[in-house]
Amino acid sequence: AQSVTQLGSHVSVSEGALVLLRCNYSSSVPPYLFWYVQYPNQGLQLLLKYTTGATLVKGINGFEAEFKKSETSFHLTKPSAHMSDAAEYFCAVSPSGNTPLVFGKGTRLSVIA
Amino acid sequence: DARVTQTPRDKVTEMGQEVTMRCQPILGHNTVFWYRQTMMQGLELLAYFRNRAPLDDSGMPKDRFSAEMPDATLATLKIQPSEPRDSAVYFCASGSGQVGVGHEAFFGQGTRLTVV
Repeated sequence: AQSVTQLGSHVSVSEGALVLLRCNYSSSVPPYLFWYVQYPNQGLQLLLKYTTGATLVKGINGFEAEFKKSETSFHLTKPSAHMSDAAEYFCAVSPSGNTPLVFGKGTRLSVIA
Repeated sequence: DARVTQTPRDKVTEMGQEVTMRCQPILGHNTVFWYRQTMMQGLELLAYFRNRAPLDDSGMPKDRFSAEMPDATLATLKIQPSEPRDSAVYFCASGSGQVGVGHEAFFGQGTRLTVV
C-alpha cells in the first residue's frame, strides 16, 4: 500500500527565507508524486507533479521539488518565501496504475514579516 | 475556465437529517473522486467513479453514505441519517483518467458540513 509522510505539521519561515517542506513516500511501484496547496476555505490546487523523466520538477509560484528515489523523498522548496505563500501544503502519491491519490496529513506554512 | 463545481458550499443540518452534496466535474473528465477532510484524519478517499461506474467505495460507511453518478455531469454524495461525526469538508475532484498521468485530480471548493 502507498503512504505519504510529511514531516512537520507546521513550518514557520521569515519572508524572503528558504521554504523547505518535507515529504517521504512508500510505494511498491515507481510512483507519481504531487504537491497541492490549499488556501483557507478553498479546494486543493496543484502546485507541481512528477510522473517520469527529469527528477527536478518546477511548479507554479516559484516552487520546485526533487524526486529522490534512493531517499524515497519528494521535498518541496522555494528560494524566497512570500507572505502569499502562507497556506496548507499536501504531498500525494499515486502508483503508476489506476489508484487514486493518497495524501499526507499536510503541512501548514506560516510566513512571518 | 474549467472547474469542478460543488453545491452547497456550506450546510448546517440537524442530526438524523438527510444531506445531499452535488458535484459537477470538469467537462470531459471521466473520473470523479469524493474526499473528506477533517482535522484528525486529514484527506480521506470515500469513493471514486470512472465512466460513471463506482470503482471503489471502501472508504465510505456503507450504512449511511451513498454515492452515485446519475449522469456524466453530476455526482452526488448522500448521508442518511447524518451524525455529528460526519461534520467535515467534503471535496469532489475530477480527472481525465488518462494512462500515465497518475490520477491528477482537480478539486472543487468543497462543501463544509456541520451536523448539530
